[in-house]
Amino acid sequence: DAGVIQSPRHEVTEMGQEVTLRCKPISGHNSLFWYRQTMMRGLELLIYFNNNVPIDDSGMPEDRFSAKMPNASFSTLKIQPSEPRDSAVYFCASSFVGGYNEQFFGPGTRLTVL
Amino acid sequence: DAKTTQPNSMESNEEEPVHLPCNHSTISGTDYIHWYRQLPSQGPEYVIHGLTSNVNNRMASLAIAEDRKSSTLILHRATLRDAAVYYCIRGGGADGLTFGKGTHLIIQP
Repeated sequence: DAGVIQSPRHEVTEMGQEVTLRCKPISGHNSLFWYRQTMMRGLELLIYFNNNVPIDDSGMPEDRFSAKMPNASFSTLKIQPSEPRDSAVYFCASSFVGGYNEQFFGPGTRLTVL
Repeated sequence: DAKTTQPNSMESNEEEPVHLPCNHSTISGTDYIHWYRQLPSQGPEYVIHGLTSNVNNRMASLAIAEDRKSSTLILHRATLRDAAVYYCIRGGGADGLTFGKGTHLIIQP
């Protein structure tokens, strides 16, 4: 299995632009998580889905952030408009819900907003 | 609020055992104790988890106090590749993870 796939790996954009981060979870997993990591705040959970349905989006910082999971094999995290304080590494993780649920993390997308 | 307390950093020598402590004094009866680690420039990776009993796997051992208010991750023979930030997390088995600052483990050759 290829593991969790994220794209792009690096993104540099200018303030005000729309940014879309993509994630392909491990096949057969039915939970998907989006996290953000910064030096100041560490790793934070933004949102997670179970069977493509958002379960907890309380970590989404503001309305500029939105996440979708149209099917079991794809999710997006969109920031519109982007701001310099959104610069961070964004991780996607997936797990299979059933008993204990180890999360498998992708390599992350490093976002820089100028 | 990570709800766990870990030392900021620890140092050990290569090929020696490492004991990483974690306090979780307000843990609830249904919370698991999870350990993840993050190597430089990588995403976190699962290490081990437990509920009440001590656990062993190929990567590490987890010793859980009888009152469950603390636990210790044990790396039996540390290598340079074990240098990472180790996160102790309490929570449900299916929920998102709440990471704290973790322990930065330094391995000296």
